[in-house]
Amino acid sequence: EAQVTQNPRYLITVTGKKLTVTCSQNMNHEYMSWYRQDPGLGLRQIYYSMNVEVTDKGDVPEGYKVSRKEKRNFPLILESPSPNQTSLYFCASSLGSAGNEQFFGPGTRLTVL
Amino acid sequence: AQKVTQAQTEISVVEKEDVTLDCVYETRDTTYYLFWYKQPPSGELVFLIRRNSFDEQNEISGRYSWNFQKSTSSFNFTITASQVVDSAVYFCALIDNQGGKLIFGQGTELSVKP
Repeated sequence: EAQVTQNPRYLITVTGKKLTVTCSQNMNHEYMSWYRQDPGLGLRQIYYSMNVEVTDKGDVPEGYKVSRKEKRNFPLILESPSPNQTSLYFCASSLGSAGNEQFFGPGTRLTVL
Repeated sequence: AQKVTQAQTEISVVEKEDVTLDCVYETRDTTYYLFWYKQPPSGELVFLIRRNSFDEQNEISGRYSWNFQKSTSSFNFTITASQVVDSAVYFCALIDNQGGKLIFGQGTELSVKP
């Protein structure tokens, strides 16, 4: 089944404890992206990747890192999480960036205490 | 600037009613793509439709239909004979041709009551 998977689905952590949210897709998509969703602020892009080893900042990249060593994986790293990073995170992938539909993972609900 | 506006924050209907969700967009691109996504209470984002700026034909898929009008920069979504399972937040989105970012509207929360 074609899908985007994220792990963990739920995470409660404390300020400053490094964490990684994994994202994997099995559709051989070149483009991958991370979004966060917050009440009143909607969905905003954090980082994106056009292809392996190519990543770039989205609208709200502060406090996050990403890597794209393999086509299928695009992990989101929070080196020192803070409470303002409490959010619902979505990974997405698509064939390319030029107008293709983006398929989203199930979401990761992160709480930073 | 690119922007998507969904003026209806919440809509409540009774089952079997028809309902239209409005979406107005702004872009300077001559070629652009619009999308609708559904976010049910379980939280995932489900792709519904993609429309490019060259195709102004209306689209119908079962009880769902979409009306794209370039003259008014609108891409409205109609659910015919709504059902309780249609209850969700619906997002209209425009893609940024530079970096592939989806620019989402604020969403319309649809509640279908039995």
